Amino acid sequence: DVKVTQSSRYLVKRTGEKVFLECVQDMDHENMFWYRQDPGLGLRLIYFSYDVKMKEKGDIPEGYSVSREKKERFSLILESASTNQTSMYLCASSRRTGKETQYFGPGTRLLVL
Amino acid sequence: SQQGEEDPQALSIQEGENATMNCSYKTSINNLQWYRQNSGRGLVHLILIRSNEREKHSGRLRVTLDTSKKSSSLLITASRAADTASYFCATDADGSARQLTFGSGTQLTVLP
Repeated sequence: DVKVTQSSRYLVKRTGEKVFLECVQDMDHENMFWYRQDPGLGLRLIYFSYDVKMKEKGDIPEGYSVSREKKERFSLILESASTNQTSMYLCASSRRTGKETQYFGPGTRLLVL
Repeated sequence: SQQGEEDPQALSIQEGENATMNCSYKTSINNLQWYRQNSGRGLVHLILIRSNEREKHSGRLRVTLDTSKKSSSLLITASRAADTASYFCATDADGSARQLTFGSGTQLTVLP
């Protein structure tokens, strides 16, 4: 059974803190994605990676960075958390084409105070 | 940018009724997918339909695709309370190497 896991289900941080969100997949997928989901706005792509050490900006990369040192792990970093980054963060992975099925983790609900 | 837009935004029906959700998109696509999301959880893939297909079935799900109208519909027959969830369409716009673009979803509530 395919599996994408995220390090935390719920996270509370203070403004200005550095925040790390971890995502691990066990399907040997080439592509990994970070989305944020806000009411009424659907899923918006922050960053994606199509190979180890490779990354591309999505629609809303400002205020975020990512790291992919190993194929199975994709990290999202909030360098200095702000209240407008309070959101649900979803990680996903897919095979090489990226246009096929994406497999999602359970999500991390981040609250920045 | 929102490639796929679902309609309606919210739908409430009785158990046993059919539920129909629609998705419209703007550019040419290779395939269109539907996903489901239970409250507070990640998305789960339901079905993929390719641009050269017009209809596809999976259990109680029926998806249609009309590329001339740039629209798709998801029909859930004989709905159950457990079908209560948000449903999203996702498209792969031509020229987009690896990305899917998700709509804002339809919230379906099935009343027992």
